[in-house]
Amino acid sequence: DQQVKQNSPSLSVQEGRISILNCDYTNSMFDYFLWYKKYPAEGPTFLISISSIKDKNEDGRFTVFLNKSAKHLSLHIVPSQPGDSAVYFCAAKSYNTDKLIFGTGTRLQVFP
Amino acid sequence: DSGVTQTPKHLITATGQRVTLRCSPRSGDLSVYWYQQSLDQGLQFLIHYYNGEERAKGNILERFSAQQFPDLHSELNLSSLELGDSALYFCASTARGEGNEQFFGPGTRLTVL
Repeated sequence: DQQVKQNSPSLSVQEGRISILNCDYTNSMFDYFLWYKKYPAEGPTFLISISSIKDKNEDGRFTVFLNKSAKHLSLHIVPSQPGDSAVYFCAAKSYNTDKLIFGTGTRLQVFP
Repeated sequence: DSGVTQTPKHLITATGQRVTLRCSPRSGDLSVYWYQQSLDQGLQFLIHYYNGEERAKGNILERFSAQQFPDLHSELNLSSLELGDSALYFCASTARGEGNEQFFGPGTRLTVL
């Protein structure tokens, strides 16, 4: 049972435009959500996170939105840059465990 | 650079063999997590150690085992290897009380032939 789902395996965006990556979850016990970026041959790199008590968190060009009623979160990248081209993983954890549950990732390509 | 190191970077071995993957957490981090990423899949949690003690187990096969040593480095032992064990193996570390972010190493790519 996939508790964290990223239904878009890939996304292609023009440089300077907004990239929106989506993530859905099923477990109501999740209370913390994270986005990781992964380049080939490297480990995932932490990007941004959000607690379930918030509905938005912003860090520079990156903003994460959380809609708890819909069990949905999204990552917005504005403006998108070619260096943002990578695979983005959504992850979630519940308050009573430290393990992260990952989605299958979305490959973002930003073209000039 | 996350500060988490993993060795070796690549490992090629045959079915039935046993291998050991090594992870050194960030300086000061007490927790080590192991994850497996098979082709085009998300990362699957295997096991969590905190200051030398096992804290949680995920979908880890009985053929796999891990430990965390007094210097806090960790080893993941994979035995009786099968073709399906070919994957990327990542370890991550975090310090207790510093939030929920885990910092990942570069991974070990295991190929079982």
